[in-house]
Order: sequence, then structure tokens, then C-alpha cells
Amino acid sequence: GESVGLHLPTLSVQEGDNSIINCAYSNSASDYFIWYKQESGKGPQFIIDIRSNMDKRQGQRVTVLLNKTVKHLSLQIAATQPGDSAVYFCAEGEYNDMRFGAGTRLTVKP
Amino acid sequence: GAGVSQSPRYKVAKRGQDVALRCDPISGHVSLFWYQQALGQGPEFLTYFQNEAQLDKSGLPSDRFFAERPEGSVSTLKIQRTQQEDSAVYLCASSLRTDGSPLHFGNGTRLTVT
Repeated sequence: GESVGLHLPTLSVQEGDNSIINCAYSNSASDYFIWYKQESGKGPQFIIDIRSNMDKRQGQRVTVLLNKTVKHLSLQIAATQPGDSAVYFCAEGEYNDMRFGAGTRLTVKP
Repeated sequence: GAGVSQSPRYKVAKRGQDVALRCDPISGHVSLFWYQQALGQGPEFLTYFQNEAQLDKSGLPSDRFFAERPEGSVSTLKIQRTQQEDSAVYLCASSLRTDGSPLHFGNGTRLTVT
């Protein structure tokens, strides 16, 4: 069936390095994607979104890349900081049909 | 308020008890959502309100789950006759518009059924 999934459950990076978190989706009709960050004990926090008519969007230290051909989404975090340690979720869909992946835990080593 | 507020933060219930979880969305937000998040998983959709109207409740796992938003602001998620499998974090989210704009989540209520 349709699903949103993540390639790796955990990612460990050195402080200052760039991080790349990947996400695969299977619904070729999807046209809206969001990345959320969830810290322990908190709700998901919106990071950045992208619509299918774009293949790249940049925010502050973050970039989302969308490859519709292979149905792949990635989140790039530049100069990763300890405060970036969290679980990152990609989500696909619109308001009442938002589907989340299981998440990737990012750990930043000092 | 500054964000979505949920209460209580933690709830322990004995199996068979009823519980009520409260959500105060961001003022003026039209859309309100409830999600269930099991440990180590992503949030799963439960139900959606546009103002006071419950437009989608397809994610509610059983008829023991009931949600309301009578005045189009505060919402309550009620679970009757709780079961152990109901143990999870219940997240509330709101958004300003109805066109799929990003959701703003509360910090959730962690429900433990013993």
C-alpha cells in the first residue's frame, strides 16, 4: 500500500558537519511534503515544506530536495549543532491525510 | 496563546476507566487535528475539525474514542473504557487555514493504561 518511509532509523554526525536525512514515499500523486523535528517530550515542530512543483527549497541552515522521479525526499542540515539532535519525520499529504514516516533519530557528537 | 496547549501532560488510567484529554489550539486557528503517536513511531491521524465541525474521524480506532470541539476552539478527546493498547502520546495540532498549511503541534498527553 501507499506509505512514507525513511531509509535509516538513526544518524550520528559530528558537530559542524552537514547532515542528510532521507525519506522515500510511494504515492506518486503526493504533491505536498513536510519535514518535522521532534525533541524528546515535545510535539513535532515544523521545519520546512515543499510542493511537488519544486525540486528544492531552502530555509535557515536547512534544504529540502525532492526527486519525484524516484519518489525521494531529503533534508539537509548545514553545520549541524547539538541543538539539532532530535527525531526527524517526513510527512506527505494534505491536512486530514498527513502521513508520517517512523522517523530518523539524529545524534550530534561534540 | 503562544502555542498549542494540551492537558494533562501525563495521565495514568486503570484499564476500563474513561479519560478526557484537552487541547487549546492557537487562537484563530480554524483547523484542529488529533494524532496518536506510539513509542518509536510517527504520529497517526485520528480526527480533524474545521471550526466546530468534525469533518473526518476515519482515524479513530474504535467507537470508544470520541472527540468534540463544540465552540470551534477548545477540543476534547475522550476515550471510554481504556485498554492497554490505548497507551500512547496523543498529539493535538492546529493550523490557521484549511488548505494544508503546516500544522502546529502541542507537546502531547502521554497516556499510560495499566
